[in-house]
Amino acid sequence: QVQLQQSGPGLVKPSQTLSLTCAVFGDRVSSHNAAWNWIRQSPSRGLEWLGRTYYRSRWYHDYAVSVKSRITINSDTSKNQFSLQLKSLTPDDTAVYYCARGTAGAGPMDIYTWFDPWGQGTLVTVSS
Amino acid sequence: QSVLTQPPSASATPGQRVTITCSGSGSNIGSNFVYWYQQFPGTAPKVVMYRNDLRPSGVPDRFSGSKSGTSASLAITGLRSEDEADYYCASWDDSLSGVLFGGGTKVTVL
Repeated sequence: QVQLQQSGPGLVKPSQTLSLTCAVFGDRVSSHNAAWNWIRQSPSRGLEWLGRTYYRSRWYHDYAVSVKSRITINSDTSKNQFSLQLKSLTPDDTAVYYCARGTAGAGPMDIYTWFDPWGQGTLVTVSS
Repeated sequence: QSVLTQPPSASATPGQRVTITCSGSGSNIGSNFVYWYQQFPGTAPKVVMYRNDLRPSGVPDRFSGSKSGTSASLAITGLRSEDEADYYCASWDDSLSGVLFGGGTKVTVL
C-alpha cells in the first residue's frame, strides 16, 4: 500500500519561502508509472493543482500558470521523496497543501488526473 | 474563479437522484477525460469516477458519469446519507498544460 507522509512548517511569514517535503512509501519517485504532485485547497481558491514532477528516463516538471514564477518541485531518489518550494508568499497562499501521486489507475492516461494516494495535508498559514 | 464551473450546491431527499454538472471548454473537458472527486470534511479527496464514466472498484453503482462536448455530469441515484460530501470535477487543460479543478458542489441529503 502506497503512503505519502508530508513534513514542513505550518506558519510562514509574508515574503518568505515555503518548503514542504513528501516522503513516499511503497513506491519509487523514479517510477515510470507515476507522477508526483502538489495540490492546495483554500476556501477562496478551492482545489488548486500547483505542479508535478515525474521521471521518464529524465526528470520532467510541469507547473500551474498561476504560480509558475514562484514554484520549484524537486525529487530526491536517495531519500525517495519530493519537495515543494514556493517563494514570495502572501496571505493569499494560506491553504492546506497536499502532496499526491498521479497514478495509472487503469492505464497511463490516468496519471495526469487520477490522484491517489494523498498526503495527510499541511495547513500553511502565511502571517507575520 | 475556477475555469471548470460547478453549481455550489445540490440537494435531494434519501432515495432520490442528484446530478452535478461541470462546464468547461474545448481545451479541457472538450479534449480530455473528466475525473470526479468526493471529499469529506477534514479528509483528502477520493476519485469516484474516472475517464468520464468509469467507476473505480469499491464505488457503488449508484454513481454514474457522462460527458458531452465541453460539459460533464455526475449523477447519484438512490441517494444515501453517506453520500453527503463535496464533489469536484477535474480535467487536464491542453492550453494551460495543467490540471483544472471545478469549484466544488456540496451535496446535501435532506
